Formats: sequence, C-alpha cells, structure tokens
Amino acid sequence: GAGVSQTPSNKVTEKGKYVELRCDPISGHTALYWYRQSLGQGPEFLIYFQGTGAADDSGLPNDRFFAVRPEGSVSTLKIQRTERGDSAVYLCASSLVGGPQETQYFGPGTRLLVL
Amino acid sequence: AQSVAQPEDQVNVAEGNPLTVKCTYSVSGNPYLFWYVQYPNRGLQFLLKYITGDNLVKGSYGFEAEFNKSQTSFHLKKPSALVSDSALYFCAVRPPYSSASKIIFGSGTRLSIRP
Repeated sequence: GAGVSQTPSNKVTEKGKYVELRCDPISGHTALYWYRQSLGQGPEFLIYFQGTGAADDSGLPNDRFFAVRPEGSVSTLKIQRTERGDSAVYLCASSLVGGPQETQYFGPGTRLLVL
Repeated sequence: AQSVAQPEDQVNVAEGNPLTVKCTYSVSGNPYLFWYVQYPNRGLQFLLKYITGDNLVKGSYGFEAEFNKSQTSFHLKKPSALVSDSALYFCAVRPPYSSASKIIFGSGTRLSIRP
C-alpha cells in the first residue's frame, strides 16, 4: 500500500511569511508524528497526534509552530512568521496505534528554506 | 537524560568486506532500539528494531544488529557490504514507558562503500 506522503517536497519562503506543510499518513494509522531534521543532524521530535488530538507537543520550539489533524488522518504543520533558523527538512511519520514498540514509518519530508 | 550516540561521523568499507556502524544509548529501563537508513533526498527507511528476546536482530537488506545491555550498545552489522549500502544511518531509541511517544535519534553515520 501507499506510504506516508508529504507535500510540498520543497518550499522556499521569505522571512516573516506563513507556511503550511501537509502530511498524509498510511491509511489506518492512528498515530502521527512530526520531526525536524537540520543539516547534519538526526531528526528531532516536534509533536505527536493520537487520532485528532495532540498527545505530546513538547518538541514544538515556540508558539510560532502549530499543527492540526482535524479528522484524524491528514495533518498540517503551520509555521508563522518564519525565520531563517526554521530552514530544515520537516519529516512526518505514522504508526498503527502509537505504542512504544511500534515502528514509525516516515515520509520523504518537506525541505523548507527561509530566505 | 535519554540520549543516543553514534561516535563515527563516517565509516568507509570496501565492497565485500564486513561493516559495523556503532551506536550506544543512555536510557532508563529496557529501551526499544531502532535503526533507520536515509538515502539522498528520501525519507528515513526502517531497517530493524530490538524490543525484547534474542539479542541478535535481523532486518532488511541483510543487515543485523546486536543488543548488548552491559555495554548499552546496539551496533549495526552486515557480513558483506554492497556499494548500494552507501547512505546515512541513524540509530534511535524509544523509552519503554507507554507515554513516550517520540523517538530519540543519534546524529547519524555516513556509510561509504567503495567498489
């Protein structure tokens, strides 16, 4: 079946603008995760959804970052007043029900460049 | 603090030789351990995981990893390297308690296999 998909694959924006990044998880997966990967580093956790609710948003760096998953499937990561330091690859992952033993399956990522 | 260390930024191996990519972790309790591989401009692909049981875990593409509790290590191995194994490899850990939603990644090791 289809894996996790993310759009757009690349996004270039100017400092101060608003951006939305979309994630479409594997069908039937109730758990969805967002990570951010800066150049030369491993992915860092941002937020975890169980169904429609954000079960853990401890990784969001500040209040410019927000994510929603209104119908428990597609999720959108929203970044307000973008800064150059927000430039990174934003990865989305999903798993079946969110248990710690489960494998998280990752999408190809959205590469965000803030000029 | 929970953490994962990949002490080598790069590992170079000749094709046909065995390879080892090192990983050590620091987590309370019995962790869940993962290896992921990242090819250029692609998302993370799951290779294998250790949950419990046999310390030697076999995964995709002929890779295996050995869990060593006393050394808190989870090194990735392959008996005979292929040029196509060249990629970026991430070790990751997930704390065992059910409220832990996120995966903690190492900084990655770039594996280069020369013909």
